[in-house]
Amino acid sequence: DGGITQSPKYLFRKEGQNVTLSCEQNLNHDAMYWYRQDPGQGLRLIYYSQIVNDFQKGDIAEGYSVSREKKESFPLTVTSAQKNPTAFYLCASRPTGEGNQPQHFGDGTRLSIL
Amino acid sequence: LAKTTQPISMDSYEGQEVNITCSHNNIATNDYITWYQQFPSQGPRFIIQGYKTKVTNEVASLFIPADRKSSTLSLPRVSLSDTAVYYCPSSGGYNKLIFGAGTRLAVHP
Repeated sequence: DGGITQSPKYLFRKEGQNVTLSCEQNLNHDAMYWYRQDPGQGLRLIYYSQIVNDFQKGDIAEGYSVSREKKESFPLTVTSAQKNPTAFYLCASRPTGEGNQPQHFGDGTRLSIL
Repeated sequence: LAKTTQPISMDSYEGQEVNITCSHNNIATNDYITWYQQFPSQGPRFIIQGYKTKVTNEVASLFIPADRKSSTLSLPRVSLSDTAVYYCPSSGGYNKLIFGAGTRLAVHP
């Protein structure tokens, strides 16, 4: 069954800790994205990657880092430099190439600070 | 990069048709118009996409006028399960999406 898998669904972080959120897709999509959603608000772009071994900062990249070593994986690390990390994190992917293909989203990881 | 504009909330009743309009004042020539639905604690789900005129699929219709400055998502005969937030994000280049707060649709019995 093709799709995007985000894990864990819930994650707790202690002050000063780095945590890594997993995003895996088996859709063979080239592009992948990380968004942050705060309560009652829309999604804001953190990082995106159009191809393996390449990624770009989005609108709110400070305090976050990513890697794209494999096509199917785009993990997001929330570092201790992110002072307000409590949020709902969403990963998305889309195929590139001809036509305008929509992004497909995972079901998110909710991060909370202990 | 401007966000789109859509109503903050709407109310409807089961069995009614619901139309949600979005303003795309800064839409680029190559941009498609896409609508998503989001339930609490879930990721947005793609509903429908179009470039101009009318597009229909099994769940919704999308109306886009000739100037493409707006779009209308039409949900026929809504049910309680259509209660959700609906987004019409704008394009930020490189197929990035810029989301506003969306429209909260509440369907009542």
